[in-house]
Amino acid sequence: QKEVEQDPGPLSVPEGAIVSLNCTYSNSAFQYFMWYRQYSRKGPELLMYTYSSGNKVDGRFTAQVDKSSKYISLFIRDSQPSDSATYLCASGSGGYQKVTFGTGTKLQVIP
Amino acid sequence: DTGVSQDPRHKITKRGQNVTFRCDPISEHNRLYWYRQTLGQGPEFLTYFQNEAQLEKSRLLSDRFSAERPKGSFSTLEIQRTEQGDSAMYLCASSPPNSGTEAFFGQGTRLTVV
Repeated sequence: QKEVEQDPGPLSVPEGAIVSLNCTYSNSAFQYFMWYRQYSRKGPELLMYTYSSGNKVDGRFTAQVDKSSKYISLFIRDSQPSDSATYLCASGSGGYQKVTFGTGTKLQVIP
Repeated sequence: DTGVSQDPRHKITKRGQNVTFRCDPISEHNRLYWYRQTLGQGPEFLTYFQNEAQLEKSRLLSDRFSAERPKGSFSTLEIQRTEQGDSAMYLCASSPPNSGTEAFFGQGTRLTVV
């Protein structure tokens, strides 16, 4: 079992929809959680970063962490075609070299 | 552009050849990481530098792989005697001092071994 599990998709939604992307993790030691966006043939771009359980909001993006169930979510409100990308969740403890990435979920937002 | 810079962006090489990639981190970032990413997978950790010291290496980093960061600034990743299984995107990331839990990625070098 991988330490971070993520549904690879693809996930197709119409423009304007609310998108929900999810990950589960198995390592109770994980202390911080991240979401990255990766466009095709580009490097990952950090979207959201959080230490604690609960919600963190940044514009149209909301990251949610539930440590009791080891569940990580990213919500995208009012999705746009430019949101079409692969979304990677990542979790870690200690230094960044200990971060484990999920396999990514490919999202397509259809105009 | 003040982000992480990687060169080249693409490299096609014949099996058995050696290749070298370069990474220039964000200025004043003392931590530097190399990752490998294959299609449909997330980035996999290869190695980590703090300043010029290579502090950690993954078991994925076979004897054919070597990385250096001689002056604590740019880094190079060399693959000797390339194999088709080395075909992947090689990503570099860097972190600032006192923030070792957050990193910023470059655009990657896509290697194709034919």
